[in-house]
Amino acid sequence: DAKTTQPNSMESNEEEPVHLPCNHSTISGTDYIHWYRQLPSQGPEYVIHGLTSNVNNRMASLAIAEDRKSSTLILHRATLRDAAVYYCILRALGRIQGAQKLVFGQGTRLTINP
Amino acid sequence: DVKVTQSSRYLVKRTGEKVFLECVQDMDHENMFWYRQDPGLGLRLIYFSYDVKMKEKGDIPEGYSVSREKKERFSLILESASTNQTSMYLCASSLGQGAFRQYFGPGTRLTVT
Repeated sequence: DAKTTQPNSMESNEEEPVHLPCNHSTISGTDYIHWYRQLPSQGPEYVIHGLTSNVNNRMASLAIAEDRKSSTLILHRATLRDAAVYYCILRALGRIQGAQKLVFGQGTRLTINP
Repeated sequence: DVKVTQSSRYLVKRTGEKVFLECVQDMDHENMFWYRQDPGLGLRLIYFSYDVKMKEKGDIPEGYSVSREKKERFSLILESASTNQTSMYLCASSLGQGAFRQYFGPGTRLTVT
């Protein structure tokens, strides 16, 4: 499985943009880049995913480098509810029936200051 | 909204007991997964299932088994619980082949004493 590298922790202020980086230099051509987050005392939740082009949804934006060796999750205006551990994951297809196997790293613990 | 529920939020069992963790999803998803989460080790896949009665080992299947008799239900079984199986257990589901999004339950914190 291709690996991802993220900073252990980041800190930002409420209502400011947050840029969460992820390095994935061994990414293969068919790997999608996924981001999940885990709020305290909850299971992970999907944030966004992409392959080559930048992606936007109601939660965040995903900026993917042209060589795909890195990506950045952008929270445009952080709130206190965005404090969580953010995981950058490269999708690895399972051997049978294409079941998606997500390999979670350590993630980035994001702290939002009021 | 997809809902994934787990039978207990907290569970305390004794060493050697047989433990069942139940997971139910309500969106007719083909794939279901069991992970455990430990400090410093992150989430690790134990088993997954891509169809009723079908299963595949994940990264750390030792000491665990699973059962999927109905599409909506995926059970994780600890045949003889040990203290090193104290952990947070997370269940997830996803739609089908090629599905990119997994939906997670709230987790069961199991303590084996």
